Amino acid sequence: DVKVTQSSRYLVKRTGEKVFLECVQDMDHENMFWYRQDPGLGLRLIYFSYDVKMKEKGDIPEGYSVSREKKERFSLILESASTNQTSMYLCASSLSGQAHNEQFFGPGTRLTVL
Amino acid sequence: AQSVSQHNHHVILSEAASLELGCNYSYGGTVNLFWYVQYPGQHLQLLLKYFSGDPLVKGIKGFEAEFIKSKFSFNLRKPSVQWSDTAEYFCAVSAPQAAGNKLTFGGGTRVLVKP
Repeated sequence: DVKVTQSSRYLVKRTGEKVFLECVQDMDHENMFWYRQDPGLGLRLIYFSYDVKMKEKGDIPEGYSVSREKKERFSLILESASTNQTSMYLCASSLSGQAHNEQFFGPGTRLTVL
Repeated sequence: AQSVSQHNHHVILSEAASLELGCNYSYGGTVNLFWYVQYPGQHLQLLLKYFSGDPLVKGIKGFEAEFIKSKFSFNLRKPSVQWSDTAEYFCAVSAPQAAGNKLTFGGGTRVLVKP
């Protein structure tokens, strides 16, 4: 089974802090994604990566950056956390090659910024 | 840019009732369509997908969805729901030529099945 793990289930940070969210997948997937999930808005793509050291902006990249130094790991960074970044953050991964390949999701990190 | 709309935010129904969740997308080209489900406390997981062939797609747990190209729709159905179908359901679309297989999701529909 594909396993996508995220470093924390719950995080509480203060405004202005730098926040790191880590995601690791164990199935050698090329593609990795970071979403945020908010009630009524569904999942919105923040950033994705289709290869090591490659990254592309999603629909809402402002206030975020990412890092992919190794194939299995994809990090989301909040440079200076703000209260409007309080949300559930989901990481996903998928094989490349076909656009209909399934994305596999992690359990999510619920981030609260005070 | 593509977008996905789900008509109902919340649905409440009784066990054995039939379920239909609406999903419409806006994109002029060829698309791949997905329904994902998130059961309480669990990961988001794939329910079914359409990418070619028969527009009536069958998924896990007795769910099916029909792709109607002329209506830009991909509605999800289940003839008889169970209490265990209580979950949030998300429709999503990807364009085959998009880099990295990225998905655009709808806002989700929370379904509560009363025993």
